[in-house]
Amino acid sequence: EVQLVESGGGLVQPGGSLRLSCAASGINFNIQYMTWVRQAPGKGLECVAKIGPEGGVTDCMDSVKGRFTISRDNAKNSLYLQMNSLRAEDTAVYYCVVETWYRFDSWGQGTLVTVSS
Amino acid sequence: QSALTQPASVSGSPGQSITVSCTGTSSDLGDYTYVSWYQQHPGKAPKLIIYDVSNRPSGVSNRFSGSKSGNTASLTISGLQAEDEADYYCASKRIFHVVFGGGTKLTVL
Repeated sequence: EVQLVESGGGLVQPGGSLRLSCAASGINFNIQYMTWVRQAPGKGLECVAKIGPEGGVTDCMDSVKGRFTISRDNAKNSLYLQMNSLRAEDTAVYYCVVETWYRFDSWGQGTLVTVSS
Repeated sequence: QSALTQPASVSGSPGQSITVSCTGTSSDLGDYTYVSWYQQHPGKAPKLIIYDVSNRPSGVSNRFSGSKSGNTASLTISGLQAEDEADYYCASKRIFHVVFGGGTKLTVL
């Protein structure tokens, strides 16, 4: 059974930083494409960034370029999202997702990031 | 504003069929068969219910079906049940990543 467990969310002030983590199990992590998808309160889904098995990165959103960095550690079966210069509009639940051929097969339970003073 | 356009809401009675549309452009829906649909119940993570336009993952009811014509994809749910009440999102490949629709709230009357 695939398990994706996100952590690292919380309340942060505008301009602050957070690092999200996702621990994966039940999959051959080092051959999977992984994606962070977010959902603002009451809003729809947005692809934030994805990373290939060997670390190749694709940004999905112009608004996070230069502020968010996706990375992975295949030895630890872990995915990360470093978020800097956070804005109120980054407030959302962030999901760690397994991506296979442009479909999202498995989702974590999500971690809430709230950017507020 | 979402990349793909879905109706904000649809409704139907138990046993009926409903269809949710998803409209894109020649740069996404019109150019690829990488179209997927997700079901999301309140407070839960989304769940993949259709991929590659019309394929169902193992364990998903055959009451869910998908299709595509040109720049528009459709999700049909037949034999509506109370547990189908949820938000539904379409998604499509665009260049090297995925774009989503804004979501459709299905109400089972």
